[in-house]
Amino acid sequence: DAGVTQSPTHLIKTRGQQVTLRCSPISGHKSVSWYQQVLGQGPQFIFQYYEKEERGRGNFPDRFSARQFPNYSSELNVNALLLGDSALYLCASSLEGTTYGYTFGSGTRLTVV
Amino acid sequence: GQNIDQPTEMTATEGAIVQINCTYQTSGFNGLFWYQQHAGEAPTFLSYNVLDGLEEKGRFSSFLSRSKGYSYLLLKELQMKDSASYLCAVSLTGGFKTIFGAGTRLFVKA
Repeated sequence: DAGVTQSPTHLIKTRGQQVTLRCSPISGHKSVSWYQQVLGQGPQFIFQYYEKEERGRGNFPDRFSARQFPNYSSELNVNALLLGDSALYLCASSLEGTTYGYTFGSGTRLTVV
Repeated sequence: GQNIDQPTEMTATEGAIVQINCTYQTSGFNGLFWYQQHAGEAPTFLSYNVLDGLEEKGRFSSFLSRSKGYSYLLLKELQMKDSASYLCAVSLTGGFKTIFGAGTRLFVKA
């Protein structure tokens, strides 16, 4: 079975641009969560989606948005990129909520220049 | 607010035992997780505690005391491949948000 897949793996963007990151969860997993991880820090919670509805949101500005599709895949959008948005963006899938733990994708490394 | 504290770095010797502590103060609690993250890779699930006590899984054990807001991860018979960051994470009430500590970088030396 395929694990959690994320695309692209690496991305370089210019300040002010917009970016879309994609995630496909493990088959059968209905919940997708997005995290931002800056080097040397733990992952910071951005969003959780379950059954295509937003169920949780972290302390990130409105420039960050996400959605989940009928096949449970998800996109994370970030508008008006700032240098500080440079990070590893991790997608995690789970059966439902976070009670049973996450399976993480390998992440998208975003560099804003 | 939500806060999870873990030591920043630890060093231990191959074959030894190491205990990584985690304390948390959160507005709700639905379970505590430990993840392992090697440099440049995604975190991988190690353990889950929802009730007080010790959970053992091979060379890894995790302990939880909900009244003290305290957990530890115990690694036995350390191997060089155990050199990684270990992340303590708390699932908040409702189960739709999990917050992570900054991680403990473990260095295993020969």
